[in-house]
Amino acid sequence: ETGVTQSPTHLIKTRGQQVTLRCSSQSGHNTVSWYQQALGQGPQFIFQYYREEENGRGNFPPRFSGLQFPNYSSELNVNALELDDSALYLCASSSGGDRGRETQYFGPGTRLLVL
Amino acid sequence: GESVGLHLPTLSVQEGDNSIINCAYSNSASDYFIWYKQESGKGPQFIIDIRSNMDKRQGQRVTVLLNKTVKHLSLQIAATQPGDSAVYFCAEKVGSARQLTFGSGTQLTVLP
Repeated sequence: ETGVTQSPTHLIKTRGQQVTLRCSSQSGHNTVSWYQQALGQGPQFIFQYYREEENGRGNFPPRFSGLQFPNYSSELNVNALELDDSALYLCASSSGGDRGRETQYFGPGTRLLVL
Repeated sequence: GESVGLHLPTLSVQEGDNSIINCAYSNSASDYFIWYKQESGKGPQFIIDIRSNMDKRQGQRVTVLLNKTVKHLSLQIAATQPGDSAVYFCAEKVGSARQLTFGSGTQLTVLP
């Protein structure tokens, strides 16, 4: 186990709703990255947070947003949910932020189903 | 990352045999590579990593080989065990870029 925890484990929402997913990073890690993993595919980078600021973003629309707290935990918020947002959402923690060369350790993920 | 659809490449091996999982990466500027193992219903688990200034790195029962000339990465698992059954992903990173870019994944099945 990596020490990265995520909540909730499963979630069902309807189209148009909003959702907040949570992640606690591994002890000693100050950087959190979020990924979306569709069924049968590899994870896709959403964004990364370091020192409570967004530190890089993938090809996701602005309705995907996040926060990082002083204890390095993080939230992923998705507004105006669409059916295609159904996926496993993974949080990964690492250390070093700007250096960008540290291994990312993943949590168990939150399975989101949008109906 | 690449969009590879719903059909993962598969590899079936007999218990006790060696497994070789291959990965072709896309970015010649990538300088850091990681192999992850993902079991059903779980997040990816770090296995081993390698930097571009190396061509081989060994861990416990695993070896990663890097061929930068043809942009190819492989993971060798010695004496494959039933617990090794999972999807294996390679991931690449460029310099100080924030994100990992994942490959398509390979489903490894260990036969008794």
